[in-house]
Amino acid sequence: SQQGEEDPQALSIQEGENATMNCSYKTSINNLQWYRQNSGRGLVHLILIRSNEREKHSGRLRVTLDTSKKSSSLLITASRAADTASYFCATDLGKAAGNKLTFGGGTRVLVKP
Amino acid sequence: DAGVIQSPRHEVTEMGQEVTLRCKPISGHDYLFWYRQTMMRGLELLIYFNNNVPIDDSGMPEDRFSAKMPNASFSTLKIQPSEPRDSAVYFCATSSGASGANVLTFGAGSRLTVL
Repeated sequence: SQQGEEDPQALSIQEGENATMNCSYKTSINNLQWYRQNSGRGLVHLILIRSNEREKHSGRLRVTLDTSKKSSSLLITASRAADTASYFCATDLGKAAGNKLTFGGGTRVLVKP
Repeated sequence: DAGVIQSPRHEVTEMGQEVTLRCKPISGHDYLFWYRQTMMRGLELLIYFNNNVPIDDSGMPEDRFSAKMPNASFSTLKIQPSEPRDSAVYFCATSSGASGANVLTFGAGSRLTVL
């Protein structure tokens, strides 16, 4: 079973609106990462939040982490058509688990111009 | 740096044929991961290497799948014989353990279709 599960599976918004997606996971993590995948392309790393951090910003991206609820959220503010992509969370359980990332099923985001 | 380079980008083959996918990692990255992506199963980790040594191959679906990393500049994923259910996009991703966090750089993927 997947460590991370994204919600919703799909999201459709108008340009300029904010997009929020959530990720839940099952076991304690070392860090959690978000990646974007444009159609037909490989995944691109967006942001990493460590287990001792609660919030992180990068440009129009805001990520929160609640380790007590084992959940994270990714907020894209003032969305643009170019933000149309699938977004994946990935959990890193640390060196003890072999430094490997486990990906969730992704959220497909459509930003309509 | 040209990033993680995968070849071929697209492969169409017939059931029973051997398929070899190739990956050139980013220079200096000491971790290499092979993932498979399908609509049904999402992104699955197949195998990963650290310093050219296979560390965990528990995600390799069957004995038909094998992976090698003969040196720090090259890795292959082989399927022999291929079956229609192997149709998927296969990604190679690499990272540097020195960074302290396992941030992956993905290749563009190899889309495999087995008829």
